[in-house]
Amino acid sequence: NAGVTQTPKFQVLKTGQSMTLQCAQDMNHEYMSWYRQDPGMGLRLIHYSVGAGITDQGEVPNGYNVSRSTTEDFPLRLLSAAPSQTSVYFCASSYSWAPTDTQYFGPGTRLTVL
Amino acid sequence: QKEVEQDPGPLSVPEGAIVSLNCTYSNSAFQYFMWYRQYSRKGPELLMYTYSSGNKEDGRFTAQVDKSSKYISLFIRDSQPSDSATYLCAMTGLRRNTGNQFYFGTGTSLTVIP
Repeated sequence: NAGVTQTPKFQVLKTGQSMTLQCAQDMNHEYMSWYRQDPGMGLRLIHYSVGAGITDQGEVPNGYNVSRSTTEDFPLRLLSAAPSQTSVYFCASSYSWAPTDTQYFGPGTRLTVL
Repeated sequence: QKEVEQDPGPLSVPEGAIVSLNCTYSNSAFQYFMWYRQYSRKGPELLMYTYSSGNKEDGRFTAQVDKSSKYISLFIRDSQPSDSATYLCAMTGLRRNTGNQFYFGTGTSLTVIP
């Protein structure tokens, strides 16, 4: 198993550009989520999905869109990048939402918005 | 007020020391408590989780939860240089109270000096 994979590893955008951060898992996990990690702020939940076709907002959803058309993939779209979106983005997955199920994190995408 | 508070450190200890890492929280609905370890430029990985109050031990690691004080701790015995990382606490509750969301602390940076 490759686990949770994220692409790209690094990205630089200009203000106003859009892009999609890719996340995929090969563990047949139902629950997938996106976090951003900023110094002094910790991991904050952006969006999550409890299964294909079902998504919901987390703590900081503004400026981001998600969709979940397959169990394996959960892309995160930045609609119009802003410098405030400079961060490290982590995708995570687990068998279900249940807290007893281990969440596996991807290696992260480091995004800089100029 | 943030849902979860964690002293960011940094914490520096000699090899073999006992390390104590702590988080406080404000939401009494939290019932599941987790500790993650994150090495530099990597995604977090789950160390252990506990349910409700009490202790849980796994090798050199012991997690404690005191729900009456809204305080959780992670103890590392006989600390090793390989324990040098950032430690994140996370927590959640029943779905009807906290949805499908996990709340993370900001992380404590630990360095174990050989």
